[in-house]
Amino acid sequence: ETGVTQSPTHLIKTRGQQVTLRCSSQSGHNTVSWYQQALGQGPQFIFQYYREEENGRGNFPPRFSGLQFPNYSSELNVNALELDDSALYLCASSPRDRNTGELFFGEGSRLTVL
Amino acid sequence: SQQGEEDPQALSIQEGENATMNCSYKTSINNLQWYRQNSGRGLVHLILIRSNEREKHSGRLRVTLDTSKKSSSLLITASRAADTASYFCATDARGGANNLFFGTGTRLTVIP
Repeated sequence: ETGVTQSPTHLIKTRGQQVTLRCSSQSGHNTVSWYQQALGQGPQFIFQYYREEENGRGNFPPRFSGLQFPNYSSELNVNALELDDSALYLCASSPRDRNTGELFFGEGSRLTVL
Repeated sequence: SQQGEEDPQALSIQEGENATMNCSYKTSINNLQWYRQNSGRGLVHLILIRSNEREKHSGRLRVTLDTSKKSSSLLITASRAADTASYFCATDARGGANNLFFGTGTRLTVIP
């Protein structure tokens, strides 16, 4: 069984640029959630995707957007990067059916905005 | 603001000792979970306790839940150096979206 994989693992951008982060969900999981974790903080919910549609969103501006593909993989896009966007971005998958509430996390993509 | 708050923020113990971490939350929940994170990597699920349960065990882990006080505790017995990590509690929101609210975490250091 393949776990959640994320890419890239690290990247550096400058303020105002755009970034795309990618996530492959665990085999058999059809729901993908994205979280932002600032240094020294707990993860904060950005949004969730199910059946290729956004299914819940946290307190993040519209410049944070996402996609889910038919194979359940997902992308997180952030436009007009700001310094405060520097964080670890975590993707988590879960099975919508047989959902126990547990999330399965990838290793994250660490974004640095200069 | 985040739903849960853990305390202490940091805890340092000797190998073999027990470690206790506490979590408080704000709203009604369906369940509460504990996750572990090594050095800014991905989170790993440890244990889930439902709102109608008071205590749950898994190996060296013991979790309690007091819904009247909106609090939970995680006890790690006979700690090992490999238990060094950050520990987060996470709650859902009863009637809310299918997302988790994480606390700020407890940084546990187990000294060999």
